[in-house]
Formats: sequence, structure tokens, C-alpha cells
Amino acid sequence: EVQLVESGGGLVKPGGSLRLSCVASGFTFSSYSMNWVRQAPGKGLEWVSFISSTSSYIYYADSVKGRFTISRDNAKNSLYLQMSSLRAEDTAVYYCARDGGYYDLDYWGQGALVTVSS
Amino acid sequence: SYVLTQPPSVSVAPGQTARITCGGNNIGSKSVHWYQQKPGQAPVLVVYDDSDRPSGIPERFSGSNSGNTATLTISRVEAGDEADYYCQVWDSSSDQVVFGGGTKLTVL
Repeated sequence: EVQLVESGGGLVKPGGSLRLSCVASGFTFSSYSMNWVRQAPGKGLEWVSFISSTSSYIYYADSVKGRFTISRDNAKNSLYLQMSSLRAEDTAVYYCARDGGYYDLDYWGQGALVTVSS
Repeated sequence: SYVLTQPPSVSVAPGQTARITCGGNNIGSKSVHWYQQKPGQAPVLVVYDDSDRPSGIPERFSGSNSGNTATLTISRVEAGDEADYYCQVWDSSSDQVVFGGGTKLTVL
């Protein structure tokens, strides 16, 4: 069974930093591209970042470019999102999601809540 | 950047057919994916690559894509289908995943 479990969410002050982790199981993690997607309270889905299976290709949404860094450790079956210079508008539930091969997101984690507030 | 436009809401009676549209410039040339999200839950992929269904998704869910509009069709709608639905594509010109704004499906 495919499982994605996020951790690392919490309350952080504006301008602060936070690192999210996503541990994968039930599939060959090193063979799949991965994504981070976020959802602000009461709002729609917003894609954040993509990383290919070998980290050769990395893409970001314009809203986070230069502030967030996606990475992965295939030996640990883990995906990461390092977030810095956080703003109130970054407050959201952050999901990690597997790329199904068509740039579709076929499996999602349960999400980690990040709250940016003073 | 590429924009996907969905109606904010669609209402349908149980047993009827719901159609949720997703508009985008020449979207017919892209591969469209659809997600269902119920309150407090993570999204679930219900249609990928325009019209394919992941395993476990009922045949009542189907998709089509042509011209400037992609459509998610839910036949014989049930109360349990009430949820938010999002369309999504990959924009190769900007190397970004793009989501539509979402459509709230209400089962009357």
C-alpha cells in the first residue's frame, strides 16, 4: 500500500524558516518524481514544487521561487521542503504527492499544517 | 502563465448526471487530470490523462477533453459524490503544475 506521511509542520513567525519532511512507503520511491502542493484555509489547491526521481529536474511556483527548496534522499525514501522567509500567505496545509507518470498526482499524504503568524 | 477556469459550483439531483467543466487555451492539446476532495481530506485522483480512471474509481466517473474545454462527467450521482473537484494540467511552457480554482459539487 502506497503511503506518504508528512511531518514538520507548526507555528512559525514571519520571516522564519521551517523544514517539511515526507516519508514514502509501499513503492519504489527512487523511481518516481514527487511534488509539494499546498492549500490555504478555505482555498483551492496550489502547486508548490516538483522534483524528478534523480533530482535532475526541479521546478517551483513563482510564489515560492527563491524562498523554498525542494530536495529528496532516495536512500531514506524521503522528500523535503525547506521553507525560508516565510510570510503570512504561506499559511496552508502542505501535501506531498507522487507523480503518476503523466504529471498527475496519483497519491497524496494527509498533509502538514504550517501557520505563519506573529 | 497558463490559466484553468472552473465554475465555482454545480448542483445536481441524486441519480442525475453532473458535468464539471475546465476551460483553458487549447486545453485539448494537454493531458488533464481531475481530483476529488472531501472536507478535511486529501485530494483523490479520479481521472487522469483526460479520460482514464485509477483503479478503485467507479465507472460513473469519466472525462473528456477537446478544444478549449475539458469535462468531468459523473453519472448516477450519489450523495457521497458531494465534494470539491479540481482539474489540473502540466504547463510545459513554464514547467509548472497548474490547478483550476475548483468546483463545489452539491447533491440536492
